[in-house]
Amino acid sequence: NAGVTQTPKFQVLKTGQSMTLQCAQDMNHEYMSWYRQDPGMGLRLIHYSVGAGITDQGEVPNGYNVSRSTTEDFPLRLLSAAPSQTSVYFCASSGLFVAGGGNQETQYFGPGTRLLVL
Amino acid sequence: AQSVAQPEDQVNVAEGNPLTVKCTYSVSGNPYLFWYVQYPNRGLQFLLKYITGDNLVKGSYGFEAEFNKSQTSFHLKKPSALVSDSALYFCAVRDHAGGYNKLIFGAGTRLAVHP
Repeated sequence: NAGVTQTPKFQVLKTGQSMTLQCAQDMNHEYMSWYRQDPGMGLRLIHYSVGAGITDQGEVPNGYNVSRSTTEDFPLRLLSAAPSQTSVYFCASSGLFVAGGGNQETQYFGPGTRLLVL
Repeated sequence: AQSVAQPEDQVNVAEGNPLTVKCTYSVSGNPYLFWYVQYPNRGLQFLLKYITGDNLVKGSYGFEAEFNKSQTSFHLKKPSALVSDSALYFCAVRDHAGGYNKLIFGAGTRLAVHP
């Protein structure tokens, strides 16, 4: 298993440009999510999905769009890049939470995409 | 509101000494707690979790964490630190309000282990 993969690893954009960050997982996980990591702020949830065709907003969704057409893929779109979106972006996946716990709710992270918006 | 606090930005430890990275939480209902580690220029790696059961949880790379309900803490520990343990450590709690797998992360603690 490749786990969670992300492309590109690094990207430079100009203000106003759009782009798509790719995320794929081969573990048949229902749950996928996007986080951004900024110094001193930990990871903040942007969007998440609990299955194909189902997405919802996280803590910081503005300026980002997502779709989930397949179980494997969960791309993140920046509609019009702004310098405030300079960050490191992580995709994660897991099985769905089940009351009482198990192993399925542990989230696995991709290697990240470092984005610089000028 | 559910939250996680990591009160130390950085922890410095000499190699071979025990280490503790602190985490406190605030959550409604039973807490589901996690520790992740991030090495430079890498994604987050799962270390361990507490869902229910024994208060002392053992995880990867010799790490363990102690769940303390009365103090609402979930401190990460290791009996003997290695230089290779130097990394950024994140504590996280499951956001029950969301009903799914949403995690709330602390700001992170940088662990520096000196030879």
